[in-house]
Amino acid sequence: EDQVTQSPEALRLQEGESSSLNCSYTVSGLRGLFWYRQDPGKGPEFLFTLYSAGEEKEKERLKATLTKKESFLHITAPKPEDSATYLCAVQAREGGSEKLVFGKGTKLTVNP
Amino acid sequence: GAGVSQSPRYKVTKRGQDVTLRCDPISSHATLYWYQQALGQGPEFLTYFNYEAQPDKSGLPSDRFSAERPEGSISTLTIQRTEQRDSAMYRCASSFSTAQETQYFGPGTRLLVL
Repeated sequence: EDQVTQSPEALRLQEGESSSLNCSYTVSGLRGLFWYRQDPGKGPEFLFTLYSAGEEKEKERLKATLTKKESFLHITAPKPEDSATYLCAVQAREGGSEKLVFGKGTKLTVNP
Repeated sequence: GAGVSQSPRYKVTKRGQDVTLRCDPISSHATLYWYQQALGQGPEFLTYFNYEAQPDKSGLPSDRFSAERPEGSISTLTIQRTEQRDSAMYRCASSFSTAQETQYFGPGTRLLVL
């Protein structure tokens, strides 16, 4: 069964204090790994898709990386507006379904 | 449309009543997904459509849950004989095609069963 585990569950940072969020996964053939941001009361907002080990993608203060077992979301010099829950999801290559399997998320709080 | 829309945004119903939730995907998107999200959890897959076909409904919790997309655009999720455990946020997402995997989510419908 495909599984996604995110850590930590919650993270508090001071503005400017860089850190990383972890997403460990087990999947029967990875088709894609997705990072989403979710603000309270809103739907998940797409950030990145990673397809193969070694791939990296960047957007502003965020950088996502992928290995065969896990993905990291690195946040460089975060700002209070980066506060949100960050969700990781995987899509399996086998089985034929297009569904995403999500982790429980990491709730990030950035204090000014 | 500009984004995925869902209605109603909030629904309060009594146990035993039927409810129908609606999802209007991005207009060019062939694939539509339904997820259930509990507080503090990530979305959990219910079912998806590729146009009007429904290739996977393995995530539907029971036969009280059904979904349809008769014309390949708007979709509805119906829960019959609602139970308190059905209370959750129901989210719809769409993607351009099954080859374009990025899913774009709507704002959700918050269902409360009393």
